[in-house]
Amino acid sequence: AQKITQTQPGMFVQEKEAVTLDCTYDTSDPSYGLFWYKQPSSGEMIFLIYQGSYDQQNATEGRYSLNFQKARKSANLVISASQLGDSAMYFCAMRVIGGKLIFGQGTELSVKP
Amino acid sequence: DVKVTQSSRYLVKRTGEKVFLECVQDMDHENMFWYRQDPGLGLRLIYFSYDVKMKEKGDIPEGYSVSREKKERFSLILESASTNQTSMYLCASSSGTAAYEQYFGPGTRLTVT
Repeated sequence: AQKITQTQPGMFVQEKEAVTLDCTYDTSDPSYGLFWYKQPSSGEMIFLIYQGSYDQQNATEGRYSLNFQKARKSANLVISASQLGDSAMYFCAMRVIGGKLIFGQGTELSVKP
Repeated sequence: DVKVTQSSRYLVKRTGEKVFLECVQDMDHENMFWYRQDPGLGLRLIYFSYDVKMKEKGDIPEGYSVSREKKERFSLILESASTNQTSMYLCASSSGTAAYEQYFGPGTRLTVT
């Protein structure tokens, strides 16, 4: 079965520190994509970062990086130098064949000043 | 910039009413999706469409139907609203069959009383 699992319902981090949000996935498709989205309290889903299953290097976008460990089927999001504006829900998602996205349960990140 | 709009941010309906949620995208995207979001469950796919007049069931289609008469518009219909359909509804669109990224609307928070 195709599934995304986020085991951390809530996380706290001190401002300016780094934080890792966990994501594991399960699929038998050879080709897939992994995404992270941010959802602030306003509700909109904001695309953060993407990793393709065949990409050799870990994806990075500014302060966001994706720690992709294919053998472990994990795709953790690392946010460096946390800011107060990073407080939000974060969703890991997997694109499967046909273009559908499967989402994890989400992790609520709170950044403390 | 891609823009996905949804007809209402907040909606309150009574049990048994027929409810229409409208979604419009302005980037000529082929693919459109309807999700519902519930705490602890992440986003779950209700229906999606790869082309005008085409529709495919997602993971939780029961109690819902959809309509796509024009490429830019994808409607979600609750034929007879029930209290267990109280939720946040998110529309998304993407380009092509190997979708790289889905762009989301702001969401509609529906309350059925």
